[in-house]
Formats: sequence, C-alpha cells, structure tokens
Amino acid sequence: NAGVMQNPRHLVRRRGQEARLRCSPMKGHSHVYWYRQLPEEGLKFMVYLQKENIIDESGMPKERFSAEFPKEGPSILRIQQVVRGDSAAYFCASSPQVADSYGYTFGSGTRLTVV
Amino acid sequence: DQQVKQNSPSLSVQEGRISILNCDYTNSMFDYFLWYKKYPAEGPTFLISISSIKDKNEDGRFTVFLNKSAKHLSLHIVPSQPGDSAVYFCAALNYGGSQGNLIFGKGTKLSVKP
Repeated sequence: NAGVMQNPRHLVRRRGQEARLRCSPMKGHSHVYWYRQLPEEGLKFMVYLQKENIIDESGMPKERFSAEFPKEGPSILRIQQVVRGDSAAYFCASSPQVADSYGYTFGSGTRLTVV
Repeated sequence: DQQVKQNSPSLSVQEGRISILNCDYTNSMFDYFLWYKKYPAEGPTFLISISSIKDKNEDGRFTVFLNKSAKHLSLHIVPSQPGDSAVYFCAALNYGGSQGNLIFGKGTKLSVKP
C-alpha cells in the first residue's frame, strides 16, 4: 500500500522556466493538499483540491501558480516562469475525507531549486 | 499573522531525560491540535493529536497537554531517545475555517544527545 507519492524528488529549473510537480495520493484518498516549506520556515498551506475541484486556494500566490487534480492521474502543481524565491520544498498530502484527528498523510516532497 | 507559534527553534536534551516542546495558538476555534515529526529529506509524519475538548492525550512515550485558557499546548517525550532527533511541527485544524486545512508552526528542532 504505497503512501503519497511525489515526483520528482529534486527539480532544478532556470529562472523563467516552468516547474511541474506531481502528487499521487494514497489509495482511497480523494482529498489533496499542497504545502510549501521555505528555508527556515514552517509549512505553509497553498491549495486544497478534490477530484476535478479546487476547494481552497487561499494560500497560493495569485500569479504563476496553478494546481489541478484531474479525474484520472496525479495532482499537478504548476509554477510558471519560476524565480529564485520559488526555491523551496513542496509537500503534497492526502486524506480520505476532510481531515480528522490524524490529519493528513504527507509525501516526501519535491525540492525545487531555481538557478 | 501567525496563528500557530513555536517560539523555540531548537532544543537539546540528554538521552533518557524529558523533552518538552511548546506551542501557542491564537484562534480559539481550532478543533484539533496535532504534532508532526520530520526527518531531513522526508515528509512530515503524524505523531499524536488532541481534541480541543480534551486536556491530555498519551501514546507511549509521547503525551500532549492542552491548556485552552492559555492557548498553549506542549508535547512531552519521556524518555527521550537519539532517534527522536528531528524537527517537530505543531499544527492546528479548524473544520469551520478553510475546509479543514492544517495550519503549522515553524517547527522546533530537537536534538537528543547520547
């Protein structure tokens, strides 16, 4: 029973390129969350999705960032025209329903480096 | 505006002694408080949680205490082991807020010395 799978684990992009981060939730989980951890910072909520729906994107920058969770396939966090400040660890989490006392199950993260 | 605060970025403890990690919050509407443990290059893993209607929850070496009047919770690890060395995140969950997303503190790095 695989956990939350994120790929790639490491991603290097030049300024101005696009970054695509993928997340496959745990089997049976239909709720996906994306968090970002900047250096020396905690985990900041970005977006919450269910299949084909964005439920809450209040933590996501208005420009250059988008997320989707299609009916088939993984959830994708897309960052267009990356800048150095986008360098961070991006974590995906999933839950079978709205989070309960066990919170979410996290993936191992994608570490994005913008050069 | 930080709703969940962990004011100690680091803590060093001798093996066998007690580790106490602290967390303060500002929103009295939180329904659950959770502690996550994170090793380098890995994602956070759930450790223990407490409902807002409880004041204590215990699981083996880990106990979480909640003081609602002070808006404060703490995680106690007894006895501490070198394998407990990790970053510990306090998190809070509000069902009435943004559809249940977790709000995290900045974390406390615990080092347990043999």
